[in-house]
Amino acid sequence: SQQGEEDPQALSIQEGENATMNCSYKTSINNLQWYRQNSGRGLVHLILIRSNEREKHSGRLRVTLDTSKKSSSLLITASRAADTASYFCATGPQSLTGTASKLTFGTGTRLQVTL
Amino acid sequence: DTGVSQDPRHKITKRGQNVTFRCDPISEHNRLYWYRQTLGQGPEFLTYFQNEAQLEKSRLLSDRFSAERPKGSFSTLEIQRTEQGDSAMYLCASSKGQVAKNIQYFGAGTRLSVL
Repeated sequence: SQQGEEDPQALSIQEGENATMNCSYKTSINNLQWYRQNSGRGLVHLILIRSNEREKHSGRLRVTLDTSKKSSSLLITASRAADTASYFCATGPQSLTGTASKLTFGTGTRLQVTL
Repeated sequence: DTGVSQDPRHKITKRGQNVTFRCDPISEHNRLYWYRQTLGQGPEFLTYFQNEAQLEKSRLLSDRFSAERPKGSFSTLEIQRTEQGDSAMYLCASSKGQVAKNIQYFGAGTRLSVL
């Protein structure tokens, strides 16, 4: 079953604008990741934020994490047509052993960037 | 190119037939995961391996599904007596298995259509 929800489900913006997507999750986590999926293709990892981090940047991406609210946001600045894709947050469960396991994905935000 | 290969890319089959998919992970990754994704949804976890050991199976994985990873290298996912509800994208991913860096690298997926 899905871990949580992404909001909005779909977002349409013009090139150059910023895009913000939100993710909520349900259980305690070790980290939260964002992935991108182009239509009909596999997922590509974008950024990982650990549960003890509040904000992280990578290029035009900025991710925030609020573990008290069990929520995260992904901001894409100065969007480009090539950013058109679906974006998913994914969480890994807490582990005492330090080993990784499955990811639980949200329902995704479909981003359309027009020229 | 993420380095994870899946074969075939597309499979069309008739209801009741058996199908088998193959996944070749990134060579140094000891963890291999299978996910299923239906239209408009995020990937849902099916099962994962550490080396040749199958460590967890989702309740989604009915007794018609079986996965193997002989010798801890490539993996196969077999679906017996396919049903129309099995139509989906089947995604394979691999990782190094460390919680701190549980970044999973996905293949392009196998799209199954059951007629």
